[in-house]
Amino acid sequence: EVQLVESGGDFVQPGGSLRLSCSASGFTFRDYPIFWVRQTPGRGLEFLSAISRSGDETHYAASVKGRSIISRDNLKNTAYLQISGLRLVDTAVYFCVKQSHSTGWYGFDLWGRGTQVTVS
Amino acid sequence: TTLTQSPAFMSATPGDRVSISCKASQAIDDDVNWYQQKPGEVVLLLIQEATTLAPGIPPRFSGSGYGTDFTLTINNIEYEDAAYYFCLQHDSFPYTFGQGTKLDI
Repeated sequence: EVQLVESGGDFVQPGGSLRLSCSASGFTFRDYPIFWVRQTPGRGLEFLSAISRSGDETHYAASVKGRSIISRDNLKNTAYLQISGLRLVDTAVYFCVKQSHSTGWYGFDLWGRGTQVTVS
Repeated sequence: TTLTQSPAFMSATPGDRVSISCKASQAIDDDVNWYQQKPGEVVLLLIQEATTLAPGIPPRFSGSGYGTDFTLTINNIEYEDAAYYFCLQHDSFPYTFGQGTKLDI
Protein backbone atom coordinates (compact mmCIF):
# COMPACT_ATOMS: atom_id res chain seq x y z
CA GLU A 1 0.00 0.00 0.00
CA VAL A 2 1.23 3.46 -0.91
CA GLN A 3 1.38 5.41 2.33
CA LEU A 4 3.20 7.76 4.65
CA VAL A 5 3.07 7.19 8.39
CA GLU A 6 4.13 9.91 10.80
CA SER A 7 5.25 9.31 14.35
CA GLY A 8 6.96 11.15 17.15
CA GLY A 9 4.25 13.59 18.09
CA ASP A 10 3.97 14.16 21.83
CA PHE A 11 3.19 16.54 24.67
CA VAL A 12 6.17 18.82 25.12
CA GLN A 13 6.96 21.72 27.44
CA PRO A 14 7.79 25.10 25.92
CA GLY A 15 11.42 25.20 24.95
CA GLY A 16 11.57 21.47 24.37
CA SER A 17 12.47 19.52 21.27
CA LEU A 18 10.95 16.79 19.16
CA ARG A 19 11.97 14.65 16.22
CA LEU A 20 9.12 13.64 13.96
CA SER A 21 9.51 10.66 11.65
CA CYS A 22 7.80 9.84 8.38
CA SER A 23 7.95 6.24 7.20
CA ALA A 24 7.15 5.64 3.53
CA SER A 25 6.01 2.51 1.78
CA GLY A 26 4.56 1.44 -1.56
CA PHE A 27 6.66 3.75 -3.74
CA THR A 28 10.33 4.48 -4.48
CA PHE A 29 10.99 6.88 -1.63
CA ARG A 30 14.38 8.10 -2.88
CA ASP A 31 12.80 9.38 -6.10
CA TYR A 32 10.61 12.08 -4.53
CA PRO A 33 10.99 15.26 -2.53
CA ILE A 34 9.27 15.18 0.85
CA PHE A 35 7.61 18.00 2.76
CA TRP A 36 6.32 18.70 6.25
CA VAL A 37 3.24 20.83 6.78
CA ARG A 38 1.12 21.46 9.87
CA GLN A 39 -2.50 22.27 10.56
CA THR A 40 -4.34 24.01 13.36
CA PRO A 41 -8.02 24.86 13.63
CA GLY A 42 -7.23 28.54 14.00
CA ARG A 43 -4.41 29.10 11.53
CA GLY A 44 -5.18 26.43 8.95
CA LEU A 45 -2.45 24.73 6.95
CA GLU A 46 1.14 25.91 6.96
CA PHE A 47 4.16 24.77 4.92
CA LEU A 48 7.12 24.03 7.20
CA SER A 49 9.93 22.43 5.28
CA ALA A 50 10.92 20.56 2.13
CA ILE A 51 13.81 18.29 1.20
CA SER A 52 14.97 17.20 -2.23
CA ARG A 53 15.37 13.59 -3.30
CA SER A 54 19.01 13.38 -2.32
CA GLY A 55 18.72 15.72 0.63
CA ASP A 56 21.09 18.30 -0.80
CA GLU A 57 18.44 21.01 -1.06
CA THR A 58 16.15 22.09 1.76
CA HIS A 59 13.62 24.87 2.32
CA TYR A 60 12.10 26.19 5.53
CA ALA A 61 9.27 28.47 6.54
CA ALA A 62 10.28 31.57 8.44
CA SER A 63 8.33 30.29 11.46
CA VAL A 64 10.68 27.33 11.96
CA LYS A 65 13.87 28.42 10.20
CA GLY A 66 16.86 28.26 12.49
CA ARG A 67 15.20 25.91 14.95
CA SER A 68 14.29 22.99 12.74
CA ILE A 69 16.14 20.51 10.58
CA ILE A 70 14.62 18.37 7.87
CA SER A 71 16.48 15.23 6.85
CA ARG A 72 15.95 11.90 5.17
CA ASP A 73 17.42 8.41 5.11
CA ASN A 74 16.73 6.89 1.71
CA LEU A 75 17.94 3.49 2.86
CA LYS A 76 15.33 3.46 5.62
CA ASN A 77 12.60 5.12 3.49
CA THR A 78 12.16 7.65 6.26
CA ALA A 79 12.12 11.42 6.53
CA TYR A 80 12.54 13.44 9.70
CA LEU A 81 11.76 16.85 11.06
CA GLN A 82 13.54 17.95 14.21
CA ILE A 83 12.18 21.06 15.90
CA SER A 84 13.71 22.73 18.91
CA GLY A 85 12.69 25.70 21.01
CA LEU A 86 9.07 24.60 20.80
CA ARG A 87 6.47 27.29 21.47
CA LEU A 88 2.80 27.20 22.33
CA VAL A 89 2.02 28.22 18.74
CA ASP A 90 3.74 25.07 17.46
CA THR A 91 0.82 23.03 18.77
CA ALA A 92 -0.61 21.41 15.65
CA VAL A 93 -1.09 18.24 13.66
CA TYR A 94 2.06 17.68 11.63
CA PHE A 95 1.78 16.01 8.22
CA CYS A 96 4.38 14.43 6.03
CA VAL A 97 3.59 14.78 2.33
CA LYS A 98 5.09 13.45 -0.90
CA GLN A 99 5.63 15.54 -3.98
CA SER A 100 3.80 14.41 -7.08
CA HIS A 101 6.77 14.81 -9.44
CA SER A 102 10.25 13.38 -9.04
CA THR A 103 12.05 16.44 -10.44
CA GLY A 104 11.64 20.14 -9.79
CA TRP A 105 9.31 21.48 -7.12
CA TYR A 106 5.59 20.71 -7.37
CA GLY A 107 2.59 20.08 -5.20
CA PHE A 108 1.72 17.00 -3.19
CA ASP A 109 -0.05 13.82 -4.20
CA LEU A 110 0.20 11.78 -1.00
CA TRP A 111 -0.40 12.77 2.62
CA GLY A 112 0.14 10.95 5.85
CA ARG A 113 -2.50 10.88 8.56
CA GLY A 114 -0.54 13.26 10.74
CA THR A 115 0.91 13.25 14.24
CA GLN A 116 -0.21 15.55 17.05
CA VAL A 117 2.28 17.86 18.70
CA THR A 118 1.07 19.66 21.81
CA VAL A 119 3.23 22.28 23.49
CA SER A 120 1.97 22.99 26.96
CA THR B 1 2.20 34.48 -2.17
CA THR B 2 -1.05 34.83 -0.28
CA LEU B 3 -3.98 32.67 -1.33
CA THR B 4 -7.40 34.07 -0.49
CA GLN B 5 -9.97 31.30 -0.55
CA SER B 6 -13.72 31.82 -0.49
CA PRO B 7 -16.23 31.10 0.78
CA ALA B 8 -15.21 29.80 4.21
CA PHE B 9 -18.46 27.88 4.57
CA MET B 10 -21.09 26.73 2.15
CA SER B 11 -24.07 24.45 2.08
CA ALA B 12 -25.43 22.56 -0.90
CA THR B 13 -28.14 20.08 -1.82
CA PRO B 14 -27.44 16.82 -3.70
CA GLY B 15 -27.36 17.56 -7.43
CA ASP B 16 -26.18 21.16 -7.00
CA ARG B 17 -23.15 22.69 -8.65
CA VAL B 18 -20.77 24.61 -6.36
CA SER B 19 -17.65 26.64 -6.95
CA ILE B 20 -14.81 27.51 -4.58
CA SER B 21 -12.42 30.32 -5.39
CA CYS B 22 -8.74 30.88 -4.65
CA LYS B 23 -7.15 34.19 -5.55
CA ALA B 24 -3.38 34.60 -5.47
CA SER B 25 -1.69 37.83 -4.47
CA GLN B 26 0.59 37.54 -7.49
CA ALA B 27 0.63 35.58 -10.73
CA ILE B 28 1.55 31.93 -10.21
CA ASP B 29 0.92 30.41 -13.65
CA ASP B 30 -1.05 27.18 -13.10
CA ASP B 31 0.80 26.12 -9.96
CA VAL B 32 -2.28 25.38 -7.88
CA ASN B 33 -3.57 22.11 -6.46
CA TRP B 34 -6.90 21.41 -4.79
CA TYR B 35 -7.43 18.93 -1.94
CA GLN B 36 -10.27 17.34 -0.01
CA GLN B 37 -10.03 16.57 3.70
CA LYS B 38 -12.50 14.49 5.71
CA PRO B 39 -12.25 13.68 9.44
CA GLY B 40 -10.34 10.47 10.03
CA GLU B 41 -9.29 10.13 6.39
CA VAL B 42 -6.11 10.88 4.48
CA VAL B 43 -6.12 14.16 2.58
CA LEU B 44 -7.00 13.53 -1.06
CA LEU B 45 -5.54 15.28 -4.10
CA LEU B 46 -8.35 16.37 -6.42
CA ILE B 47 -6.83 18.70 -9.00
CA GLN B 48 -3.20 19.46 -9.86
CA GLU B 49 -1.70 22.20 -12.00
CA ALA B 50 -5.01 24.06 -11.77
CA THR B 51 -6.96 21.92 -14.26
CA THR B 52 -5.68 18.33 -14.24
CA LEU B 53 -7.94 15.82 -12.55
CA ALA B 54 -5.98 13.52 -10.24
CA PRO B 55 -6.15 9.77 -10.90
CA GLY B 56 -9.26 8.12 -9.53
CA ILE B 57 -11.13 11.37 -8.90
CA PRO B 58 -14.66 11.49 -10.32
CA PRO B 59 -15.10 13.85 -13.29
CA ARG B 60 -17.75 15.86 -11.44
CA PHE B 61 -14.72 17.62 -9.91
CA SER B 62 -13.00 20.16 -12.17
CA GLY B 63 -10.53 22.98 -11.86
CA SER B 64 -10.00 26.14 -13.85
CA GLY B 65 -7.90 29.26 -13.79
CA TYR B 66 -4.46 30.65 -14.53
CA GLY B 67 -2.35 33.44 -13.13
CA THR B 68 -4.16 34.75 -10.07
CA ASP B 69 -7.71 33.40 -10.14
CA PHE B 70 -8.51 29.72 -9.64
CA THR B 71 -11.74 27.82 -9.16
CA LEU B 72 -12.69 24.34 -8.00
CA THR B 73 -16.10 23.28 -9.28
CA ILE B 74 -18.10 20.30 -8.12
CA ASN B 75 -20.98 19.31 -10.38
CA ASN B 76 -23.90 17.13 -9.37
CA ILE B 77 -22.87 17.16 -5.70
CA GLU B 78 -23.28 13.98 -3.68
CA TYR B 79 -23.57 13.47 0.08
CA GLU B 80 -20.05 12.04 0.15
CA ASP B 81 -18.66 15.39 -1.04
CA ALA B 82 -19.25 16.93 2.38
CA ALA B 83 -15.71 17.84 3.41
CA TYR B 84 -13.13 20.56 3.91
CA TYR B 85 -11.54 21.78 0.65
CA PHE B 86 -8.35 23.81 0.30
CA CYS B 87 -6.00 25.10 -2.35
CA LEU B 88 -2.21 25.06 -2.39
CA GLN B 89 0.18 27.19 -4.42
CA HIS B 90 3.49 25.54 -5.32
CA ASP B 91 4.87 28.26 -7.57
CA SER B 92 7.51 29.37 -5.08
CA PHE B 93 8.71 28.82 -1.54
CA PRO B 94 7.24 29.14 0.96
CA TYR B 95 4.30 27.19 -0.42
CA THR B 96 1.04 28.59 0.90
CA PHE B 97 -2.49 27.34 1.40
CA GLY B 98 -5.91 28.87 1.12
CA GLN B 99 -7.85 29.23 4.36
CA GLY B 100 -10.16 26.37 3.39
CA THR B 101 -13.84 25.87 2.68
CA LYS B 102 -16.14 23.69 4.73
CA LEU B 103 -18.84 22.21 2.51
CA ASP B 104 -21.99 20.81 4.08
CA ILE B 105 -24.45 18.74 2.09
